[in-house]
Amino acid sequence: GAVVSQHPSWVICKSGTSVKIECRSLDFQATTMFWYRQFPKQSLMLMATSNEGSKATYEQGVEKDKFLINHASLTLSTLTVTSAHPEDSSFYICSARVPPQETQYFGPGTRLLVL
Amino acid sequence: SQQGEEDPQALSIQEGENATMNCSYKTSINNLQWYRQNSGRGLVHLILIRSNEREKHSGRLRVTLDTSKKSSSLLITASRAADTASYFCATGGSRLTFGEGTQLTVNP
Repeated sequence: GAVVSQHPSWVICKSGTSVKIECRSLDFQATTMFWYRQFPKQSLMLMATSNEGSKATYEQGVEKDKFLINHASLTLSTLTVTSAHPEDSSFYICSARVPPQETQYFGPGTRLLVL
Repeated sequence: SQQGEEDPQALSIQEGENATMNCSYKTSINNLQWYRQNSGRGLVHLILIRSNEREKHSGRLRVTLDTSKKSSSLLITASRAADTASYFCATGGSRLTFGEGTQLTVNP
């Protein structure tokens, strides 16, 4: 099956710093990737849709200037949390579709802790 | 916004028993998917059922879909300790909306 990796798996940073999370499709090309956020004991919330070669599409309420998404190649999308604050601490998960399949393949997630 | 609601929120059973989880949604759908999430990990796709299907099987999993009631159920038969995880339903095609999830604990 399709494999999606994320790096790093966890990160601790100081408030005010920026953190970059990578999402890679290892054995397929992904024109579209998705970024989700999950708070403890809660469900996943879609943050944005990352499109290769074009701007990301953000969900309502997600600050695009705070969560920068770059989908520079068919196998890599990055999410940068800029000027991170403690309330940004969460579990960030990416996924990718393999068209024409409708299922999504998820990365293992990145746990972010902002002190 | 989250449109899926699942019940129960938590379910604890003994190994060998069956586990049933339910999911309700609000808008019309083309398909509904079920995913499993082990603690602190990513999601694993379990099964997809289309709006014109009423029931689908995959190994020990059985999913039903009732579009008139906007609800779906996931049945895991002969549960194992390794089935311990959170289970989510999701709708929306590519822009998935997840239910609140059911935390299943299977005790050995």
